[in-house]
Amino acid sequence: GNSVTQMEGPVTLSEEAFLTINCTYTATGYPSLFWYVQYPGEGLQLLLKATKADDKGSNKGFEATYRKETTSFHLEKGSVQVSDSAVYFCALSDQGGATNKLIFGTGTLLAVQP
Amino acid sequence: NAGVTQTPKFRVLKTGQSMTLLCAQDMNHEYMYWYRQDPGMGLRLIHYSVGEGTTAKGEVPDGYNVSRLKKQNFLLGLESAAPSQTSVYFCASTRQGSNQPQHFGDGTRLSIL
Repeated sequence: GNSVTQMEGPVTLSEEAFLTINCTYTATGYPSLFWYVQYPGEGLQLLLKATKADDKGSNKGFEATYRKETTSFHLEKGSVQVSDSAVYFCALSDQGGATNKLIFGTGTLLAVQP
Repeated sequence: NAGVTQTPKFRVLKTGQSMTLLCAQDMNHEYMYWYRQDPGMGLRLIHYSVGEGTTAKGEVPDGYNVSRLKKQNFLLGLESAAPSQTSVYFCASTRQGSNQPQHFGDGTRLSIL
């Protein structure tokens, strides 16, 4: 079945450092890919998405490119801030628009220190 | 501008007790979902619904039941709570159609003693 694998955390960075969180997937067909962010005590929020190969999703300085050849969707940010501290989840769509179900990775905790 | 609202936010139960978690959305979304979040396991889908009056099992449905009597509400029931059901529960909703993002509530933290 479809699955998502994320790098384990926690990831601890200093402010203004470069961020990469790795995400790879296994899927049949052509799923859409998502990154969600969860701030402490809150639900998940959509950060960005990509719906087909070579698409780049971007939002709030974060970027991720849908790489079909490497089945990856790594999240990057050039300069992190303390306010970026959160848990980041990679996800793929399962069964497409018929149900819009998502399969999530296990999440990666990011801690940014001033 | 409520979005997805979950009640209650916290609850402590004893083993064997029953309870219902309520999810309400005001965005007229067709699809709704219940997840549980456990350390190191991400979010796992319990049950979902693609429309009023319809429900389906997700990845981990055992021990839970759901109902979608009204389009805006999705209820998750625990008939006989077990310590293994201690978790944080999230409800989400989304529009019909491909690539629609899910909108999440703030979660219900449930402890079973």
